[in-house]
Amino acid sequence: SYELTQPPSVAVSPGQTASFTCSGDNLGDKYACWYQQKPGQSPVLVIYQDTKRPSGIPERFSGSNSGNTATLTISGTQAMDEADYYCQAWDSSTVIFGGGTKLTVL
Amino acid sequence: EVQLLETGGDLVQPGGSLRLSCTASGFTFSTYTMTWVRQAPGKGLEWVSTIRGGGIGTYSADSVKGRFTISRDNSKNTLYLQMNRLRAEDTAVYYCAREMAVAGAFDYWGQGNLVTVSS
Repeated sequence: SYELTQPPSVAVSPGQTASFTCSGDNLGDKYACWYQQKPGQSPVLVIYQDTKRPSGIPERFSGSNSGNTATLTISGTQAMDEADYYCQAWDSSTVIFGGGTKLTVL
Repeated sequence: EVQLLETGGDLVQPGGSLRLSCTASGFTFSTYTMTWVRQAPGKGLEWVSTIRGGGIGTYSADSVKGRFTISRDNSKNTLYLQMNRLRAEDTAVYYCAREMAVAGAFDYWGQGNLVTVSS
C-alpha cells in the first residue's frame, strides 16, 4: 500500500525558514496538499494542488512537489505557526496521510 | 459561511454500534464529495471513508471495510457514518470534511466528535 513519510519533528527560531518534507513513491505524479493542526483544533488546509494557498492562508506558506518529495515551506516562521503539519495525497481512490511533523518554534 | 457539525459520538462497548452524523450548511451539499477522517488520541490523521456527491461511489479504508458504512441524505444536507462491530482501536475523534472540487484536498472540517470504545 502507498505510504507518505514525514520526519517527526522540526524546530526553528522565529523569523527563520521551516521546511517540511513528505516522501512517497513518485509523489510528484500526484497532487500533494498540507494541513496545519494546532492542539485541540481541527486541521486547516494550508496548501493544495502542490503549490496553491487557500484564501486566508498567509503568503509565507508555500509548497512544491517533484520526484518523490513534496515540501512545505514557511518563510519567516512565527510563534503562531507552532503546530503539527500533515501531508496528504490520493492513491487509487484511497486517501493517504503522512504521519505528521511537529513544528516547534524555539 | 460553510459549517460542518458532527454529532453522535459516545462511549460504546466493544462489538457495539454507533452512527455519526455531519450536518452541512453554507454550500450546495449535494455537489460535493464528503469524507470522514479520524484521529486516535495523540496520533495522526487517518482517512476512514469517502462518498461522492450523488452518493454513487464510496471508498473506505481497509481497517473499516465491512464494519463501517458511509452514506448521505442530500435532502437533509447530512453525511453519516454507521459504525458496527466497534473495536478499541476505533477510539478516536472523527471529523467530517468537504473535498474541494477537482483538488483532492479537504478545505472545510467539522469540529470533531469523540468516539470511545471501551468496556
